[in-house]
Amino acid sequence: QKEVEQNSGPLSVPEGAIASLNCTYSDRGSQSFFWYRQYSGKSPELIMSIYSNGDKEDGRFTAQLNKASQYVSLLIRDSQPSDSATYLCAVKLNSGYSTLTFGKGTMLLVSP
Amino acid sequence: GAVVSQHPSRVICKSGTSVKIECRSLDFQATTMFWYRQFPKQSLMLMATSNEGSKATYEQGVEKDKFLINHASLTLSTLTVTSAHPEDSSFYICSASATQGRPTEAFFGQGTRLTVV
Repeated sequence: QKEVEQNSGPLSVPEGAIASLNCTYSDRGSQSFFWYRQYSGKSPELIMSIYSNGDKEDGRFTAQLNKASQYVSLLIRDSQPSDSATYLCAVKLNSGYSTLTFGKGTMLLVSP
Repeated sequence: GAVVSQHPSRVICKSGTSVKIECRSLDFQATTMFWYRQFPKQSLMLMATSNEGSKATYEQGVEKDKFLINHASLTLSTLTVTSAHPEDSSFYICSASATQGRPTEAFFGQGTRLTVV
């Protein structure tokens, strides 16, 4: 049973702070990892993808992957109120067309 | 990024009727499309995987005779909720992976909010 675990939150941070979102997964064969942002009533939007151990930075977002610990995280620097949303971690078994397994998401609230 | 268009965005139907939802990949070809359902405050749950030109693969617990999926072309997949009931009210979302470029990334449609009254 493939599982992706996330703390449901809400994670509350003040504007300008760093928000840290965490995700663990159970299948050691997983090779592709994604972070999606979902606003209430909207469909998910891809923010970051990461495939190898280490950090990947894109603007204010940094994804971190540690396959040995089966752990992937998303850091949001200089958090803005517009970042308030649910962040979904998704894992794929291989690089082909296998399905994504989603975590339940972490709600992030950024207060002005 | 790639664009996936889903229609309609909202639909209200009477119990017992059928509703068709369309999912189109606008600027890429999608061999595989995925259909998800999301209940309030819940995560996305995969319902089925739609493969162009072949039968869809349904997840355990999803009734294939109730949720009819057709993937007639590389750019279009449809989900028909047959004999809808109030418990089918949910947010239905499709996603598609490109056949070229980075096939690992999935792009989502805008979602369809179905309300069965």
